[in-house]
Amino acid sequence: NAGVTQTPKFQVLKTGQSMTLQCAQDMNHNSMYWYRQDPGMGLRLIYYSASEGTTDKGEVPNGYNVSRLNKREFSLRLESAAPSQTSVYFCASGRNTDTQYFGPGTRLTVL
Amino acid sequence: KQEVTQIPAALSVPEGENLVLNCSFTDSAIYNLQWFRQDPGKGLTSLLLIQSSQREQTSGRLNASLDKSSGRSTLYIAASQPGDSATYLCAVRASGYALNFGKGTSLLVTP
Repeated sequence: NAGVTQTPKFQVLKTGQSMTLQCAQDMNHNSMYWYRQDPGMGLRLIYYSASEGTTDKGEVPNGYNVSRLNKREFSLRLESAAPSQTSVYFCASGRNTDTQYFGPGTRLTVL
Repeated sequence: KQEVTQIPAALSVPEGENLVLNCSFTDSAIYNLQWFRQDPGKGLTSLLLIQSSQREQTSGRLNASLDKSSGRSTLYIAASQPGDSATYLCAVRASGYALNFGKGTSLLVTP
């Protein structure tokens, strides 16, 4: 099993550009999550999806949108990137409220 | 809002030592607590999950304890090895699906 996969691994954007971060899991998990990790701030939840067809805001949702395309895939979209969105983005999945399994991360720089 | 604090922020020990990492949280009404390991430039790997009804969990040289009433958890690593060098993160699930993370303890085990 591949577990949780994320694409791309690295991305550089200019301010105002848009992009979508892709995440897929092959563990048949109901719940999926997007976090960002910043130095000195720890990991913060952006959005999550408790089950296919539902999404909810986390701690820092402003500037982002998400889509739970199907049970396997959960994408994160930046419509108009800002330098404050420079971060490492992690996708995770889990069986409801149990252990969360994380992907390798996407390192995003916004110039 | 649930606040999670990890002490110390960094720790350096010689190989073979037993060590304890600390995690405290402000709201004792939690569902579970999870310890993760993060290697530089990598994603998070789940180490141990303790449900709110449990006092401890063990996996190999790792033992995690939970004292909900005092808002504390400890991760005990026995006979540390250089391969244990990483950042260790504590995360609490207080309600719903979101995890609240501490900022981590950076561990260096020297040969």
